[in-house]
Amino acid sequence: AQKVTQAQTEISVVEKEDVTLDCVYETRDTTYYLFWYKQPPSGELVFLIRRNSFDEQNEISGRYSWNFQKSTSSFNFTITASQVVDSAVYFCALRKAGAQKLVFGQGTRLTINP
Amino acid sequence: DAGVTQSPTHLIKTRGQQVTLRCSPKSGHDTVSWYQQALGQGPQFIFQYYEEEERQRGNFPDRFSGHQFPNYSSELNVNALLLGDSALYLCASSSQGDTQYFGPGTRLTVL
Repeated sequence: AQKVTQAQTEISVVEKEDVTLDCVYETRDTTYYLFWYKQPPSGELVFLIRRNSFDEQNEISGRYSWNFQKSTSSFNFTITASQVVDSAVYFCALRKAGAQKLVFGQGTRLTINP
Repeated sequence: DAGVTQSPTHLIKTRGQQVTLRCSPKSGHDTVSWYQQALGQGPQFIFQYYEEEERQRGNFPDRFSGHQFPNYSSELNVNALLLGDSALYLCASSSQGDTQYFGPGTRLTVL
């Protein structure tokens, strides 16, 4: 069975601080995909990134960066110089190759205070 | 380029009633997945439709059924509504096995 754990239920920081959201996953599959989605108060899940299990390169996109470590089954997400607009619930998700469903973690509610 | 659209935005029903939710996929996508998101939880996979057939199903009872039309749009039907069916219902579209893009959701309240 697959499982995604986001141990941080809520995080609150002051604007311009850096913040890291943790994601730990469990799977017995050798090929799988990891995702991060952002859910603002409007409710729509916004796709941020997809990572393949065979590609452990870290990725940076503007203020966002992702650290994928297969050895610890983690896929952490860092926001540098946070902004109020980053406030949202962030979900990490897992999908095994050949399957259709995304398995989501419980989400981390991030609040950036001005 | 229109994204995933869902209707209605909000819906209030009473226990025992039936409800139909609708989803139009993003242009160029042929696959539609449905998820249920209870308050404070992550989305849970209900099922996925491709080529007008249910391709995979999550752990939901038969009261939850769906349909996909030739234009790739989809409906989610829930019969005999229970209070516990109150949730945000999210539709996601993709191109076969690729990344899923989500719509704004339908907020269902069962009284």
